[in-house]
Amino acid sequence: TQLLEQSPQFLSIQEGENLTVYCNSSSVFSSLQWYRQEPGEGPVLLVTVVTGGEVKKLKRLTFQFGDARKDSSLHITAAQPGDTGLYLCAGGKVVSTGNQFYFGTGTSLTVIP
Amino acid sequence: GAGVSQSPSNKVTEKGKDVELRCDPISGHTALYWYRQSLGQGLEFLIYFQGNSAPDKSGLPSDRFSAERTGGSVSTLTIQRTQQEDSAVYLCASSLGQGVIDTQYFGPGTRLTVL
Repeated sequence: TQLLEQSPQFLSIQEGENLTVYCNSSSVFSSLQWYRQEPGEGPVLLVTVVTGGEVKKLKRLTFQFGDARKDSSLHITAAQPGDTGLYLCAGGKVVSTGNQFYFGTGTSLTVIP
Repeated sequence: GAGVSQSPSNKVTEKGKDVELRCDPISGHTALYWYRQSLGQGLEFLIYFQGNSAPDKSGLPSDRFSAERTGGSVSTLTIQRTQQEDSAVYLCASSLGQGVIDTQYFGPGTRLTVL
């Protein structure tokens, strides 16, 4: 069962364009993380947000956690070829056995020079 | 310092054979996770170790899958009687075990192909 759905699944844009990736769920999460994964490598953490409505900026990337802590968005301004990769959101929950992270379905971004 | 390493990087096996995948976490990290990733897709949680606590095995898809972590460090994921649907990239991650704000550091994965 996939708790987190991402959209779009695939995105191909020209260098310089803006884009937004969405991560949606019907479940509430204690935290929401975004990772970027390049081919042949493991995901690398970009950001963690924990408060409903929280907005974090990382250079040209803006991350927002929904007020109800069920969804999140990633906005990239003036995309560059180096932004190409698979973007994954991950929701953190405290469960009876400890902590679990539920990963989204992924968004594959290609930025064309 | 060294990151998370996994071996082998690629494994091709025949249906019905057993395989072992190894993960060497970052030194000092108390938490270790195993995930499975199908081509270009999201990650599927398999198992989670935290310190000396009993592992969370809730994500293991069948009893053919098992994992152990020796001495709180190296972990081995074993798949018995492999099936073609087991083909995927198996990713290991380690962390400091800081709860839901944990930063997981991933290895490069083992690509398993079952013929």
